[in-house]
Formats: sequence, C-alpha cells, structure tokens
Amino acid sequence: EAGVAQSPRYKIIEKRQSVAFWCNPISGHATLYWYQQILGQGPKLLIQFQNNGVVDDSQLPKDRFSAERLKGVDSTLKIQPAKLEDSAVYLCASSRSSAGYTFGSGTRLTVV
Amino acid sequence: AQSVSQHNHHVILSEAASLELGCNYSYGGTVNLFWYVQYPGQHLQLLLKYFSGDPLVKGIKGFEAEFIKSKFSFNLRKPSVQWSDTAEYFCAVSQDTGRRALTFGSGTRLQVQP
Repeated sequence: EAGVAQSPRYKIIEKRQSVAFWCNPISGHATLYWYQQILGQGPKLLIQFQNNGVVDDSQLPKDRFSAERLKGVDSTLKIQPAKLEDSAVYLCASSRSSAGYTFGSGTRLTVV
Repeated sequence: AQSVSQHNHHVILSEAASLELGCNYSYGGTVNLFWYVQYPGQHLQLLLKYFSGDPLVKGIKGFEAEFIKSKFSFNLRKPSVQWSDTAEYFCAVSQDTGRRALTFGSGTRLQVQP
C-alpha cells in the first residue's frame, strides 16, 4: 500500500509569513494526526481527526495554527503568522485502528 | 494525561555491544506500547509494539522489548548492535480506549561506533 504523502518536504519562510502543509493519508485510514517535532524532542500531537471531525486539538495553538480535513481524506495544516519557535518538522500520520500508525516523511519548516 | 520518559538522551556504543534503552510511562489504564526508530533524514519506522499477551515482544532487526506492568516500563533491547543501528529511538504509548493518539518520549540518540 502507498504510504502517507506529505508536501512540501522543506520550507523556509520569514517570521510573520504564512505557510501551509498538505497530507494525503493511506486510503481507508479514518484517523489522521498532525504532530510537531522540534529538534531534539519527540513528536507532539497538534491535532487528531476522525474522518473530517476533530477529535483532539487541545495542543494546537489556535491563535496561529489551523487545520482542516475536507471530505475525510486529505488534510491541510496552516500557520499564520509564523514565529521563530515554529521551526520544526511537521509530521502527518494515519491509522485505521490503534493497531498501526503510518507516518509520512514530514515537512521541515525553518522560520528565519 | 499520559506521559512517557526516556532516561537516556544520548548513548554511544561500540559495535557488538549490547543495548538497553529505558522507557517508563505514566497512565493508570490499559495502554498500547510502541518503539519507533528514525534514521537520519528518514521518517519514523515501527520497530515493535505491545498490545497484550506475552510481555516479551520481538521486533524487526533483532530488537526486542519487555513490558513490565508493575514498573510501568517498556525497555528496548538488542544483544549486539551494528553501525547501521545509529539512529534516534522513540518510545510511545497510546490509551487502549478513547483517544488513540500516540504520546512520545523525548527520544534517545544512539551512536554506534565501528
């Protein structure tokens, strides 16, 4: 089966600019997750979708981050405006059940 | 809320040495436990997972982990490491019911010297 697709792979922006990341999960996986991985740390959950509904967004900085999953398939994560501390790898993962999670390669964001 | 602690942040070993990476979690209910590996420049890959049954779990590439419920631990082991095992290792936990997102530890960077 195809993996979780993410784009772009890399992005460099200036602070206060906006940026968007895209994720295409594995076909049939109802649950989609966005994680933020800051250098030297483990991934931290930002938001979890079940189909196109939000299950958990308690750790999403809602003043600047937003995410949507239209039609329960692809998802977009947006940051507006970006801050220096948003520099991280943004990982998308999907699962059909707690039995397995598949991660994408991530988008490495550098805010300068 | 659940949390995961990985005691070793950076481990340096010589080839053929034995490896044990510590992982403790805090959550009173039933959990699913995972170890992931991240090679330089690559995405997270599952090494092994524990849901129930035999607490000694064998994974890929010769890795194994033991779930000790009384100690809330899930330590990763390998009898003899290779240079190619150089990577970052993450322990993760998810609740067996309800929200099933993974909570990760901070990771252990393993460096194997030839």
